[in-house]
Amino acid sequence: GQQLNQSPQSMFIQEGEDVSMNCTSSSIFNTWLWYKQDPGEGPVLLIALYKAGELTSNGRLTAQFGITRKDSFLNISASIPSDVGIYFCAGRDPGSSNTGKLIFGQGTTLQVKP
Amino acid sequence: DGGITQSPKYLFRKEGQNVTLSCEQNLNHDAMYWYRQDPGQGLRLIYYSQIVNDFQKGDIAEGYSVSREKKESFPLTVTSAQKNPTAFYLCASSARDRVNQPQHFGDGTRLSIL
Repeated sequence: GQQLNQSPQSMFIQEGEDVSMNCTSSSIFNTWLWYKQDPGEGPVLLIALYKAGELTSNGRLTAQFGITRKDSFLNISASIPSDVGIYFCAGRDPGSSNTGKLIFGQGTTLQVKP
Repeated sequence: DGGITQSPKYLFRKEGQNVTLSCEQNLNHDAMYWYRQDPGQGLRLIYYSQIVNDFQKGDIAEGYSVSREKKESFPLTVTSAQKNPTAFYLCASSARDRVNQPQHFGDGTRLSIL
C-alpha cells in the first residue's frame, strides 16, 4: 500500500533554533496536512495544503506542498519549549477524496532544550 | 464548545473480554474514523464511516467492530479476537460538504491489558 516517509524521526535542538522536517510519498497526493500531538492527547491540525506549490504560514510555522505533489515540508522558526511534541504529516490521494481517508507519516519527535 | 469526546481516557481489558470505546462529536460531521497508535508509529486506520448506518474496514480491522447508528456517535469494540490490543486509540471526524476537509481528533483512549 501507499507509504509516507517522514524525516527526521527525532530532533533535539536548542531553544531559538529553526527546525525543518519533511514527508515524501510514493504517489501523488491532492492534500497535505500537518498535525502536532502532545503526550497523551490527540493530534491537532497545524496547517492544511491543497495545491501543488502552495506555501502557507501559521505563526512561526511554514509548510509547503511540493510541486511534484509527492512531498511536503514543515518549518518551525525560532523554536520555544512548548514546540515539544510529535509532528505528523498526513496526505490524501485523489482516489480517497470521497472517503476522506488519510495516510500518516511515522512522526517526528521534537525536543527543545531551554 | 464543538468537539470530539472520547471516553474513557484509560481502559483496562481482561483476557477474553470485549471492551467498547466511546466517540461522540457535536461538529455535525458526516465522516468519522478510528485509528490505532503504537509507540514510534504513525496512525493506522481501523474503521471509518462516511454516513449513518454505513462503515468500511480500514487497514487493520481484524479483531475490531464498530456501529454507526447515530451521526454523532461511532463506538469501537475491541473484541477478544484482537490479541494485541494495548495501544492508544484515536477517533476523528471530518465534514463532507467539501471533500478535502481535514480530520479533527479527540484526545484518545489508552487501552491496556490486565
